[in-house]
Amino acid sequence: RKEVEQDPGPFNVPEGATVAFNCTYSNSASQSFFWYRQDCRKEPKLLMSVYSSGNEDGRFTAQLNRASQYISLLIRDSKLSDSATYLCVVNQAGTALIFGKGTTLSVSS
Amino acid sequence: EPEVTQTPSHQVTQMGQEVILRCVPISNHLYFYWYRQILGQKVEFLVSFYNNEISEKSEIFDDQFSVERPDGSNFTLKIRSTKLEDSAMYFCASSLTVSNQPQHFGDGTRLSIL
Repeated sequence: RKEVEQDPGPFNVPEGATVAFNCTYSNSASQSFFWYRQDCRKEPKLLMSVYSSGNEDGRFTAQLNRASQYISLLIRDSKLSDSATYLCVVNQAGTALIFGKGTTLSVSS
Repeated sequence: EPEVTQTPSHQVTQMGQEVILRCVPISNHLYFYWYRQILGQKVEFLVSFYNNEISEKSEIFDDQFSVERPDGSNFTLKIRSTKLEDSAMYFCASSLTVSNQPQHFGDGTRLSIL
């Protein structure tokens, strides 16, 4: 099974900053794409699905480039509560979700 | 908001013993999953379950592992003879369908093998 790769972290940013995470996936047959967030020792929680046309949810914008097999997440106006590990997740046409290792974000005041 | 619930939150077991982890998926969901996360590593897929059958399983899910849905609500993962390397966080998840639907995770069972 092929991999999902993410930016190495950690990202340390001040409140109010804009931060971008990148992710690449190696299986061109991948069909569904998601960003999850995971707080320390907690379960992954869905942040947003990623659609081919790109999509936005408040301060969060996700983009997908199928040709480059690349997914991104942009967080605007970072809050202290955004501090977490962000997981790039791909479904490769089966039922299994394939997770990246995650990128840790730390937002400071 | 409906959620996936898991019990116990922490299980400590001697190596070689059997352990059963329990999950109650979201009530109208049809697909159920188990994942594990070894400390400091990424979340890994173990198995998916639909219509009382395994749909897909990973190479991790060997003969020591089994799943069942004994009573229409609980979804269980059994590890027959635990090894030290089975120590991990085990997450149950469920989804309404499988196509393009996100999976919703329970808060996990921390399994510690001594």
